[in-house]
Amino acid sequence: NAGVTQTPKFQVLKTGQSMTLQCAQDMNHEYMSWYRQDPGMGLRLIHYSVGAGITDQGEVPNGYNVSRSTTEDFPLRLLSAAPSQTSVYFCASRLNDAPNQPQHFGDGTRLSIL
Amino acid sequence: AQTVTQSQPEMSVQEAETVTLSCTYDTSESNYYLFWYKQPPSRQMILVIRQEAYKQQNATENRFSVNFQKAAKSFSLKISDSQLGDTAMYFCAFMKPTFDEKLTFGTGTRLTIIP
Repeated sequence: NAGVTQTPKFQVLKTGQSMTLQCAQDMNHEYMSWYRQDPGMGLRLIHYSVGAGITDQGEVPNGYNVSRSTTEDFPLRLLSAAPSQTSVYFCASRLNDAPNQPQHFGDGTRLSIL
Repeated sequence: AQTVTQSQPEMSVQEAETVTLSCTYDTSESNYYLFWYKQPPSRQMILVIRQEAYKQQNATENRFSVNFQKAAKSFSLKISDSQLGDTAMYFCAFMKPTFDEKLTFGTGTRLTIIP
């Protein structure tokens, strides 16, 4: 049981490049989300999904796109990378059946934009 | 909007001692959930303990316990018999049961256990 798997673990981009951060979970969780973690700040919600075909914006969605074509996968796309998007990105998932169920986090992707 | 405040950026304690990490939050909600997450140098986010606001009894998980004071909006984490493996960043987080299930995190406390 792999849990939540994020790839890549590290990436360096140039300003203006595009890329997709991958997130996959094998726990049949309906709810998935993306957070970013910046120095001196807690994690902030970028986008979330409550099931296949359903996505919505979180607290800091600008510059990011998501899609949810399957229950397992929830990729995060940067269309035109900016230095302000340098951060550590975490994907998380959990069951929908009770709000106190914990969110399971992936190991994160450290992204640097030059 | 909810806010979560962790007023201790860094703490250190000798191995085997007890340490308490502070967390306060601001909300007008009556029903919500509180969490403590641990982030070791490996960068994983690991759930330590969770508390439902409607439960008066403080949550306990082995060496970890919380002191939940709803009226004071305080949610501190106590680590007993601290171990070297407890060295990590600790984040307090708040969630109200809404559609987005957003976790609102504090800025974290860096805890170092000294051998």
